[in-house]
Amino acid sequence: GAVVSQHPSWVICKSGTSVKIECRSLDFQATTMFWYRQFPKQSLMLMATSNEGSKATYEQGVEKDKFLINHASLTLSTLTVTSAHPEDSSFYICSASSRYTEAFFGQGTRLTVV
Amino acid sequence: QQQVKQSPQSLIVQKGGISIINCAYENTAFDYFPWYQQFPGKGPALLIAIRPDVSEKKEGRFTISFNKSAKQFSLHIMDSQPGDSATYFCAASTHNFGNEKLTFGTGTRLTIIP
Repeated sequence: GAVVSQHPSWVICKSGTSVKIECRSLDFQATTMFWYRQFPKQSLMLMATSNEGSKATYEQGVEKDKFLINHASLTLSTLTVTSAHPEDSSFYICSASSRYTEAFFGQGTRLTVV
Repeated sequence: QQQVKQSPQSLIVQKGGISIINCAYENTAFDYFPWYQQFPGKGPALLIAIRPDVSEKKEGRFTISFNKSAKQFSLHIMDSQPGDSATYFCAASTHNFGNEKLTFGTGTRLTIIP
């Protein structure tokens, strides 16, 4: 299957700082990328959908000023957690899809805010 | 998001046995039903998927059974192995590559014991 690379795999940051997570589709052009959040032993919750070159569409209850998403190219989307707080600690996962493929998931990023 | 109900929450199966996980959906517009396998600290990986024009799909030891009238689908893992121990998520979406918004089930933690 296609490869979606997410970086970093884990990050620890201080409360109040911002953290950027990258999601890259390595062998196909992703017209759409999705960002999910997963709490321990829970399912994936869709945060937002981003299409290349346009603004992301956020799910209800997700703060767009808190979770900034940029999808500047067909192979890269970034999620920036701004002014992170301990309650933002979670596992963040991206997925990427194109017109010709189903969605493939990245390996996830474990964010810990201390 | 429309719900996808998944059961059981956890499952313990002896090595060599059959693991069965069930899902039910509400939205009749769903026409793509994938199953994902997730290991701790990793992103989900697509295992097998089915469309509603067939009632069963088999890939190796993994089989999806689909009942359109009942709006139910299930994953069967034959000859279950310890390496199959993971969390399994069913999902559903409208089959629209490039913009499929997956609705996930709540997950099943599968443990295969020797």
